[in-house]
Amino acid sequence: EDQVTQSPEALRLQEGESSSLNCSYTVSGLRGLFWYRQDPGKGPEFLFTLYSAGEEKEKERLKATLTKKESFLHITAPKPEDSATYLCALRGDAGNNRKLIWGLGTSLAVNP
Amino acid sequence: GAVVSQHPSWVICKSGTSVKIECRSLDFQATTMFWYRQFPKQSLMLMATSNEGSKATYEQGVEKDKFLINHASLTLSTLTVTSAHPEDSSFYICSARDWIGGDEQYFGPGTRLTVT
Repeated sequence: EDQVTQSPEALRLQEGESSSLNCSYTVSGLRGLFWYRQDPGKGPEFLFTLYSAGEEKEKERLKATLTKKESFLHITAPKPEDSATYLCALRGDAGNNRKLIWGLGTSLAVNP
Repeated sequence: GAVVSQHPSWVICKSGTSVKIECRSLDFQATTMFWYRQFPKQSLMLMATSNEGSKATYEQGVEKDKFLINHASLTLSTLTVTSAHPEDSSFYICSARDWIGGDEQYFGPGTRLTVT
C-alpha cells in the first residue's frame, strides 16, 4: 500500500536557523512526489514536483530533494513568513493513479 | 498562472438545507477536478474525483447521494451538500489538474461550511 509519513509533526525555528523537513514514502511505482505549503484557513499552495531519485528543485529559500525512499524540504535562513504547514504527497502506479496520497504535514513556526 | 477559485469562501446554513459550492479554474482548462474536506489540524481527505462530462468517482465511505458533484465544463465543478447536518460542517477544498499536462493539482482557497 502506498504510504507517506512526514516528520517532524511540528518544528519551531528561529529566524535564520536552517533546517529540513522529511517525507518518507513507500510506493509501488512513483509517478510524482509533490510538496505544498498550506496557511491556516487556506487551500494548499503548490511548491514542487519531483519525479526521480537525485532530482532537486529550488525556489527562494526552499529546496526539495528526492531519494528512492524519502524527500527532504530544506529551508535555508527561514523568515517568519515561511511559517505554515508543509504537506508532502505522492502519486503511484497502483489503483486510481489520478489521486494523491497525502502525509499529515509538518507545522513550521519561525520566530523573529 | 494556475489559479483556482471557490465560491463561497464561507457559508452558514440550517440543518436540512442544501448548499452548493463552486470551483473554477480561472486561467487553464481542467479535465479533472478533486474535492477534499479537511478537519482541524488534519490532512486532506479526498472525497471524489470529477472528470468533465462524466460521473464523479467517490472515495469509499463518501455518500454520493449526499455530496453531489457536477463537472459540466472544463473550468467549472460544483459540489452540493444535500440535506446538510452539523456533522457536515468542515472545510471543503477543490483542486484541478491542467488539461495540457503536468501532474500537479492546483487548489482553491477553500470553503468553510457551518451547519447549525
